[in-house]
Amino acid sequence: DGGITQSPKYLFRKEGQNVTLSCEQNLNHDAMYWYRQDPGQGLRLIYYSQIVNDFQKGDIAEGYSVSREKKESFPLTVTSAQKNPTAFYLCASWGGSIYFGEGSWLTVV
Amino acid sequence: KNQVEQSPQSLIILEGKNCTLQCNYTVSPFSNLRWYKQDTGRGPVSLTIMTFSENTKSNGRYTATLDADTKQSSLHITASQLSDSASYICVVRGNAGNMLTFGGGTRLMVKP
Repeated sequence: DGGITQSPKYLFRKEGQNVTLSCEQNLNHDAMYWYRQDPGQGLRLIYYSQIVNDFQKGDIAEGYSVSREKKESFPLTVTSAQKNPTAFYLCASWGGSIYFGEGSWLTVV
Repeated sequence: KNQVEQSPQSLIILEGKNCTLQCNYTVSPFSNLRWYKQDTGRGPVSLTIMTFSENTKSNGRYTATLDADTKQSSLHITASQLSDSASYICVVRGNAGNMLTFGGGTRLMVKP
């Protein structure tokens, strides 16, 4: 079945470490997005990519980086520069309709 | 700047009661508006999608309305159930590219 897969579901990061969240889709969608959600809050756009080898900053890109080397993959790296990375991260893709992954919980320990 | 504002921020109702959630947007040009239900720690699930020409759309106990002139949408939930407890998110897509603008969501709690 087609869909979006995020991994890992739960991730713990030590302070000062970079971590990478995976997002893979087999829907042949061009556009992919990363959102952050803090407890009790709405979704905020981190980065988006309209096409392979191209991506744009969203509203809260500082401390994050992405790549889009393949159409099906849009990994998000949470760098040590992100001062408050503990949150729920959602990946989505667009191809006439929005598809969401199941999300990844990141906790700083 | 494109914005989507939802109200109320949170809502508590008794099981069996009806409720209405609001979504106001400034996204222009407008393509479509979607309502999503998000359970805690899960990805959002689509409830309805409405385009410029549609005024009302129903999905079971969920009925969405759209007034493209005033840039307002509402989601009405009829005969609420405990399983309706979730966050409800309004998402607007503009015609410029594939940009999606999310509202902050309304957290609904249905109590027995």
